Amino acid sequence: GENVEQHPSTLSVQEGDSAVIKCTYSDSASNYFPWYKQELGKRPQLIIDIRSNVGEKKDQRIAVTLNKTAKHFSLHITETQPEDSAVYFCAASLNTDKLIFGTGTRLQVFP
Amino acid sequence: DAGITQSPRYKITETGRQVTLMCHQTWSHSYMFWYRQDLGHGLRLIYYSAAADITDKGEVPDGYVVSRSKTENFPLTLESATRSQTSVYFCASSDRGNTEAFFGQGTRLTVV
Repeated sequence: GENVEQHPSTLSVQEGDSAVIKCTYSDSASNYFPWYKQELGKRPQLIIDIRSNVGEKKDQRIAVTLNKTAKHFSLHITETQPEDSAVYFCAASLNTDKLIFGTGTRLQVFP
Repeated sequence: DAGITQSPRYKITETGRQVTLMCHQTWSHSYMFWYRQDLGHGLRLIYYSAAADITDKGEVPDGYVVSRSKTENFPLTLESATRSQTSVYFCASSDRGNTEAFFGQGTRLTVV
């Protein structure tokens, strides 16, 4: 079955710096890769996603890149702000099947 | 109200008791999922359902039972609760398995 590994588990950056979170997946047939943000005490919410026919996708300060050959994808946050502090989860889905999540990255942005 | 709702929000139960967590969505999404969230383990899939009367195991199904007689409801039952099942449980739904999943607000379950 699908397995998703996520690194690092914690990440601290200075406000204005960039943050990068990396994930690898095991099933080469996976074709959907979303990223979720979970603020303290809240539910996870989608921030960006990418499909296997695309190598990169951007939405303002966030971007996701996908390397299908290496089976890894990354989340990039530029010009970080204190409100970016949260836990971020990557996930992978095989066709229309189940969505498997990574173990999460706690991002702290210091003013 | 439209959306996905879970009940109860908080539950304390004793070891060995049966407990059911409820999940209801108003979007008529085909897919529904149950995850548990534990520190260091992220979100782990317990069971999921692609449609009414269709359910399948996820990563950690042992000790749990699900049913889906109606599209909008997906209850999760712990047949005999154990302390290791203390966790925050999230229900989610999506139009298809590979589209945005919308999460409920979560149920914090404590087994004593």
